[in-house]
Amino acid sequence: GENVEQHPSTLSVQEGDSAVIKCTYSDSASNYFPWYKQELGKRPQLIIDIRSNVGEKKDQRIAVTLNKTAKHFSLHITETQPEDSAVYFCAAGPSGSSNTGKLIFGQGTTLQVKP
Amino acid sequence: NAGVTQTPKFRILKIGQSMTLQCAQDMNHNYMYWYRQDPGMGLKLIYYSVGAGITDKGEVPNGYNVSRSTTEDFPLRLELAAPSQTSVYFCASRGDQRDTQYFGPGTRLTVL
Repeated sequence: GENVEQHPSTLSVQEGDSAVIKCTYSDSASNYFPWYKQELGKRPQLIIDIRSNVGEKKDQRIAVTLNKTAKHFSLHITETQPEDSAVYFCAAGPSGSSNTGKLIFGQGTTLQVKP
Repeated sequence: NAGVTQTPKFRILKIGQSMTLQCAQDMNHNYMYWYRQDPGMGLKLIYYSVGAGITDKGEVPNGYNVSRSTTEDFPLRLELAAPSQTSVYFCASRGDQRDTQYFGPGTRLTVL
């Protein structure tokens, strides 16, 4: 079946450094790739997403890149801050109206930003 | 708007008991989803619905049932609770013209 692999499972960085999380997916029909942040005991919240018609998207300190040929996408966080500490999930699925919206999630990356 | 709401927040069940996890959204979203999240793991899709009266299985449907009689509500039923169903359950919804899924606060279920 469809699968999303996420690496690393844990990541520790110093405040101000950059963090990169990588995901690969198996379903070539996927064209929607969201990233969710989940703080301890909270719900997942969307932080950025990308669709297959673009290769990169940026929102302030967060960026996502997509290589559809290689079926991998990455989350980049620059100038990390302690409040970036959380679990981050990538996901892959279909895009557009009248689709099921079924997402396959990666296993998650626990990011720790040390002050 | 309250967004996506879930009740209860916490529940402890004994093996073999049954219960219904409630999920409601007030955004008039047709698409709704149930996920489970085991400790240290990602989210797995249990069931989903593309509109009132239409439901389908996700990746891990065994041991669960759903119904969708209204646009607003999407309850998840556990008939014979097992320890393997100990997890955090999240409900999510999505609008017709958008890809973004909005999650509820979750229900933490323990089966002993």
